[in-house]
Amino acid sequence: EVQLLESGGGLVQPGGSLRLSCVASGLTFRITALSWVRRAPGRGLEWISAISHDATDTYYADSVKGRFTVSRDNSKNTMYLQMNGLRAEDTATYYCATHYVDSSGYSMSYFGYWGQGTLVTVSS
Amino acid sequence: EIVLTQSPATLSVSPGERATLSCRASQSVSTYLAWYQQKPGQTPRLLIYDASNRATGIPARFRGSGSGTDFTLTISSLEPEDFALYYCQHRFNWPNTFGPGTRVDVK
Repeated sequence: EVQLLESGGGLVQPGGSLRLSCVASGLTFRITALSWVRRAPGRGLEWISAISHDATDTYYADSVKGRFTVSRDNSKNTMYLQMNGLRAEDTATYYCATHYVDSSGYSMSYFGYWGQGTLVTVSS
Repeated sequence: EIVLTQSPATLSVSPGERATLSCRASQSVSTYLAWYQQKPGQTPRLLIYDASNRATGIPARFRGSGSGTDFTLTISSLEPEDFALYYCQHRFNWPNTFGPGTRVDVK
């Protein structure tokens, strides 16, 4: 059974930093591309970052580009999101999600497995 | 950035009826579009990928169609567990984006 577990959320002041972690089990992590998706209170889903299986490619939403950095450690089955310069509008539940692999083994940036999320609150 | 709009915002349907949800892209996304279902307190569930392919384990009553800029999710006969929030999402380019969602509730 695939499991994703996020951690690292909490209350932080505007301008502060947090590092989120996502630990995966039940899958071959080193061949799995992943993304971070967030949902702000009362709002919809927002994709914010993706990382390829080997970390050679990373992608960001305009809303976080230059402030957030995604990385991974395949030896620890863990993906990270370093969040700097946090703003009130970054307040959200942050989910990690695996990219979907179809029956032919093709990976695409749709999100098949999701963690339960970690809440980040940016407030003074 | 490609903007996805969904309509209607809320759809009121009786159990057993058909529900038709729409997603429109600000530019062509070819068939690179997915649909998700999210229930309160749960994580999103992938229903349809690449416009018309059901994800693993998704019942046949969920059908996706469309290409280019206009897409439809049809639920042929609503079951009680289908009342939820539905999102579309594209993967045509980066950044991937989601639509704002359509809530399907009980009429």
